[in-house]
Amino acid sequence: DSGVTQTPKHLITATGQRVTLRCSPRSGDLSVYWYQQSLDQGLQFLIQYYNGEERAKGNILERFSAQQFPDLHSELNLSSLELGDSALYFCASTPTGGIHEQYFGPGTRLTVT
Amino acid sequence: AQKITQTQPGMFVQEKEAVTLDCTYDTSDPSYGLFWYKQPSSGEMIFLIYQGSYDQQNATEGRYSLNFQKARKSANLVISASQLGDSAMYFCAITSGYSTLTFGKGTMLLVSP
Repeated sequence: DSGVTQTPKHLITATGQRVTLRCSPRSGDLSVYWYQQSLDQGLQFLIQYYNGEERAKGNILERFSAQQFPDLHSELNLSSLELGDSALYFCASTPTGGIHEQYFGPGTRLTVT
Repeated sequence: AQKITQTQPGMFVQEKEAVTLDCTYDTSDPSYGLFWYKQPSSGEMIFLIYQGSYDQQNATEGRYSLNFQKARKSANLVISASQLGDSAMYFCAITSGYSTLTFGKGTMLLVSP
């Protein structure tokens, strides 16, 4: 158990819908990262938050957004869902924004039908 | 930009044998970290081992060791005394600066009895 929690574990929804994925980092960790893992794209970095502020952005679509709340939990919002958004979404956390091993949550498997 | 190359899509090893999973990297940053993660069929990403670019010694964690050859830009993972539970996908990753991990495509390891 990495100490990072993600909910829900599985999510099935229809095209065009909007979903919210939730992540709670390890106790004391200030930085949260979101990743998408799909068969064709592999593991891709989406976005990083550090202590409530956006720190870095990767290959995140405009239909996707995220935020980190004062209690340090983070949410990833995916809207106008398409079939290609079906993937495993991971959240990871580190104590700071420096070079540290990232501990991953169990992931949310999103299926868009 | 950072890049990780894992040239072995799949590897087979017999139980109790040692196996080396290859990883080469490319980065223009002088300070970086190299990581290996294991992803079993259940889907979670498990941190295995870390090597800093300025570390003089090769990292070791139990049965895992990292063969770090800076001049060759390689960071191979060595698993000694393979166990059936080692069967999984293994990812090499690199980070520098803002700690956004860049992953390779992974190597599927199958351990046979």
